[in-house]
Amino acid sequence: SQQGEEDPQALSIQEGENATMNCSYKTSINNLQWYRQNSGRGLVHLILIRSNEREKHSGRLRVTLDTSKKSSSLLITASRAADTASYFCATDKAGGTSYGKLTFGQGTILTVHP
Amino acid sequence: SQTIHQWPATLVQPVGSPLSLECTVEGTSNPNLYWYRQAAGRGLQLLFYSVGIGQISSEVPQNLSASRPQDRQFILSSKKLLLSDSGFYLCAWSVLLAEEQYFGPGTRLTVT
Repeated sequence: SQQGEEDPQALSIQEGENATMNCSYKTSINNLQWYRQNSGRGLVHLILIRSNEREKHSGRLRVTLDTSKKSSSLLITASRAADTASYFCATDKAGGTSYGKLTFGQGTILTVHP
Repeated sequence: SQTIHQWPATLVQPVGSPLSLECTVEGTSNPNLYWYRQAAGRGLQLLFYSVGIGQISSEVPQNLSASRPQDRQFILSSKKLLLSDSGFYLCAWSVLLAEEQYFGPGTRLTVT
């Protein structure tokens, strides 16, 4: 089973609206990261939130982390057509033999219509 | 500033042929290096990672191998490709393990 699972799998909105994507995970983590991937390209790092943080902002991005529910959300405010991409969460599992390895979810495909 | 290169960008190879994909990083020293495979434009599967020259950790049993002959060079190889090796291969680097990773543009491999 996936460590990180995004919800929804696909999201379609109009320009100017807010987009919210969620990520759930199963085991304790050191940090959780969000990445964006434009079609056919490499991933771009958006934001990293550590297990002792609850909220982080970067420009129009807001990430929350609820370790008790093992979930995170990514909010993109005032979306633009250029935000159309796939968004992935990735987790760094705490302890054990997983040190140093990120586990990626399946992603949310966001489409922003002009 | 740091940059990461991957080549080739696309590759079509017959089943049973060898493979060599190269990744190089500029502008940093002793990076952690990673090879991922992405199927059907969805989640990434970590294949190999390296914390230094000659040090390779394999994550998934398969007919692929990786080598790091120089500090900023990471190579993915296969002696005989399978149809199931088709996919989008991404190289990435990071300063610290499991922290922010920087990805290359990727190589789309089609095995026919």
